[in-house]
Amino acid sequence: QKEVEQDPGPLSVPEGAIVSLNCTYSNSAFQYFMWYRQYSRKGPELLMYTYSSGNKEDGRFTAQVDKSSKYISLFIRDSQPSDSATYLCAMSAHSSASKIIFGSGTRLSIRP
Amino acid sequence: IAGITQAPTSQILAAGRRMTLRCTQDMRHNAMYWYRQDLGLGLRLIHYSNTAGTTGKGEVPDGYSVSRANTDDFPLTLASAVPSQTSVYFCASSVEVGNTDTQYFGPGTRLTVL
Repeated sequence: QKEVEQDPGPLSVPEGAIVSLNCTYSNSAFQYFMWYRQYSRKGPELLMYTYSSGNKEDGRFTAQVDKSSKYISLFIRDSQPSDSATYLCAMSAHSSASKIIFGSGTRLSIRP
Repeated sequence: IAGITQAPTSQILAAGRRMTLRCTQDMRHNAMYWYRQDLGLGLRLIHYSNTAGTTGKGEVPDGYSVSRANTDDFPLTLASAVPSQTSVYFCASSVEVGNTDTQYFGPGTRLTVL
């Protein structure tokens, strides 16, 4: 079993919809949680970072962590075609980036 | 400011050949990383360097070597390429922000080993 599980999609939704992307994990020691966005043929870029449990909001994006269920989510409100990308969850038990475990990514397409 | 540059952008390589993937950053970050990205497997860490002069092994280091002679450059070498090393390779660097490292990724190198 992988430490981090992520549905690969693809997920296709109409413009303006609310998107929910999710990851589950098995290591209860994880306390640093990240979401990266990766456009086609580009490198990943950090979108959201959360430490421990709770919610974090940044514009149209909300990251949610439920440590009791070992489940994290990324919500995108008022989705735009420019949000079409692959979204990678990532997490770590340590602050060092050399310990980060990445999910396999969910491919998202927003239909105009 | 370029951030992280990688070269080449793509390469087709015969099995058994030696290949060095280049990575340069201009952000003066101490830590640098090499990942490979394969469909269904996500990003997997190959090697990393916390500071110039030091390197460490990641999750999938076999068949790869790195060096870190200075802060800016972190080349990845495949001594004798094999088809299973066909992948997209990403270089990254990181800086500590708050209580964690924030990573910045390069544009990637697409490598095909035949």
